[in-house]
Amino acid sequence: QKEVEQNSGPLSVPEGAIASLNCTYSDRGSQSFFWYRQYSGKSPELIMFIYSNGDKEDGRFTAQLNKASQYVSLLIRDSQPSDSATYLCAVKSAGNQFYFGTGTSLTVIP
Amino acid sequence: GAVVSQHPSWVICKSGTSVKIECRSLDFQATTMFWYRQFPKQSLMLMATSNEGSKATYEQGVEKDKFLINHASLTLSTLTVTSAHPEDSSFYICSAGTLAGGSYNEQFFGPGTRLTVL
Repeated sequence: QKEVEQNSGPLSVPEGAIASLNCTYSDRGSQSFFWYRQYSGKSPELIMFIYSNGDKEDGRFTAQLNKASQYVSLLIRDSQPSDSATYLCAVKSAGNQFYFGTGTSLTVIP
Repeated sequence: GAVVSQHPSWVICKSGTSVKIECRSLDFQATTMFWYRQFPKQSLMLMATSNEGSKATYEQGVEKDKFLINHASLTLSTLTVTSAHPEDSSFYICSAGTLAGGSYNEQFFGPGTRLTVL
């Protein structure tokens, strides 16, 4: 079982819709969770991090964490074509190890 | 914000030569830096974790004698690909962890170095 799992996609949504990206993790003791965005040919950039159960909002992005179910999600509201990228979920385990998912490819259709 | 730079951004070399890639944290001290490799349309693959002043910890399957990592200061780590071959052509990305309470939190990535070995 992989430490962090994501649906590779591709996920396609129309412009203006909500894109929902999901991630599950195996280490129940994990404390820190991150979402990165990676455009083709570029390195990842941090979008959001979340440490506590519940929702965390930042502009059009909302991260949701449910430690009991061991999943973390990212919602993108009012999706724009510029949001088209690969989104990486990362988890810092209780042992201070970083694990990245394989990423979900998102395409926002104008 | 935390800024990480890499140099060079693009390098083309002949097979058999060695290539050094530098990773610098510009506005913070990074006791831990990470080196990743990413092949086209594939996910990030962690190669090694580099701690300042100590030997790097390599992931399984990564040849430590081929990928030499040096982390001589809190702001600089280098990756040297020795005797590079075409199969080493890839996108190499470093990241640095920020410190909070003795533990690093989010990682900030450098812009990456694209290596092409002819």
